[in-house]
Amino acid sequence: KNQVEQSPQSLIILEGKNCTLQCNYTVSPFSNLRWYKQDTGRGPVSLTIMTFSENTKSNGRYTATLDADTKQSSLHITASQLSDSASYICVVSTAYGTDKLIFGTGTRLQVFP
Amino acid sequence: SQTIHQWPATLVQPVGSPLSLECTVEGTSNPNLYWYRQAAGRGLQLLFYSVGIGQISSEVPQNLSASRPQDRQFILSSKKLLLSDSGFYLCAWSVSRESSPLHFGNGTRLTVT
Repeated sequence: KNQVEQSPQSLIILEGKNCTLQCNYTVSPFSNLRWYKQDTGRGPVSLTIMTFSENTKSNGRYTATLDADTKQSSLHITASQLSDSASYICVVSTAYGTDKLIFGTGTRLQVFP
Repeated sequence: SQTIHQWPATLVQPVGSPLSLECTVEGTSNPNLYWYRQAAGRGLQLLFYSVGIGQISSEVPQNLSASRPQDRQFILSSKKLLLSDSGFYLCAWSVSRESSPLHFGNGTRLTVT
């Protein structure tokens, strides 16, 4: 069964600290892996998309890594800001197009001053 | 630049009443369009997707239907709402290319009472 599991479910950190969110997947065939940021009550916003051949991609203070062999990905946030408080969703696409996306349940990050 | 509009932002409807949620996209032609539902603690669930006018694919049998009367307009409907239809509904678009990101609207919070 195609699944995407994220950990931790929730995380609290202090402003300025770094953190890493994890994503493990059992999706086959694999096309790409995406990370989205979702503010409360808003739609998700794309952070990164990585294909099989990419093992790291950055978007500002966000850096995603992908290990296709172990089927793991991480999202590292550097020097966190209060505006980073949001849910971060890992999404894996099968090889059959963007209509076949498997969504994780997200990690809820709270950044406190 | 491309924008996506989704309305209303919030909606409270009684059981058995009809539903119509509208989504429009600007700044792009022939987008793929999607309706998702997000339940608390669960990943996004794809409800419908469309690759062109009048072309609707349903992922989950349910009390809802979708229509695409114009290239950049996507409508989610129900003739009679159920309590279980409550949730956060998200419209999204993408271009027809592998690994293209999904662009989400800001969602509609539907409460069926």
